[in-house]
Amino acid sequence: EAGVTQFPSHSVIEKGQTVTLRCDPISGHDNLYWYRRVMGKEIKFLLHFVKESKQDESGMPNNRFLAERTGGTYSTLKVQPAELEDSGVYFCASSQGGGSSRPYNEQFFGPGTRLTVL
Amino acid sequence: AQSVTQLDSQVPVFEEAPVELRCNYSSSVSVYLFWYVQYPNQGLQLLLKYLSGSTLVESINGFEAEFNKSQTSFHLRKPSVHISDTAEYFCAVLYSGGYQKVTFGIGTKLQVIP
Repeated sequence: EAGVTQFPSHSVIEKGQTVTLRCDPISGHDNLYWYRRVMGKEIKFLLHFVKESKQDESGMPNNRFLAERTGGTYSTLKVQPAELEDSGVYFCASSQGGGSSRPYNEQFFGPGTRLTVL
Repeated sequence: AQSVTQLDSQVPVFEEAPVELRCNYSSSVSVYLFWYVQYPNQGLQLLLKYLSGSTLVESINGFEAEFNKSQTSFHLRKPSVHISDTAEYFCAVLYSGGYQKVTFGIGTKLQVIP
């Protein structure tokens, strides 16, 4: 079974440009998460989708970031316009649904997209 | 605020020597604890987890971690490291009762020296 995939693996753009990152979760996983690691810092939560709905977007840095998950399958994360401080590795993760009967749902991570803003 | 502390950003160790990577988290009533590993040019992989029950958990490649509630720690240990263990290790916490949002530590780079 394929794992979580992310595209592109690397992206180098100039300040002010737009970039769109894509994440394909494991088939059948209702939960999809975005995380980001800025160089030298912790991996930080950005947001959580349950199917196509945003369950928690408390980690989104500002309104230059837009995440979508149309149809509840793949997700995109758009940064517009990109700033220097947006550079980092963006991870996507997915987990099964299961509701309150499960203690937790293991999150499976993708390889990440390394974004460099010049 | 919920936080995870990994005090050692880099740990060099000779092959076949023991290693301990330290992790402390901010106290909470109920937590789930994880260690993730990222090998060079790869994604994050779950190494081991503590959900409940025995406080000592083990991975398939010889690592173990012990949940210590009184010290709010979840240190990772291996009695004898291999070159292939060279990677970055992340301690992570999921605070139960809320959303499924994992809080990570800053990561510890383990460098195994031949």
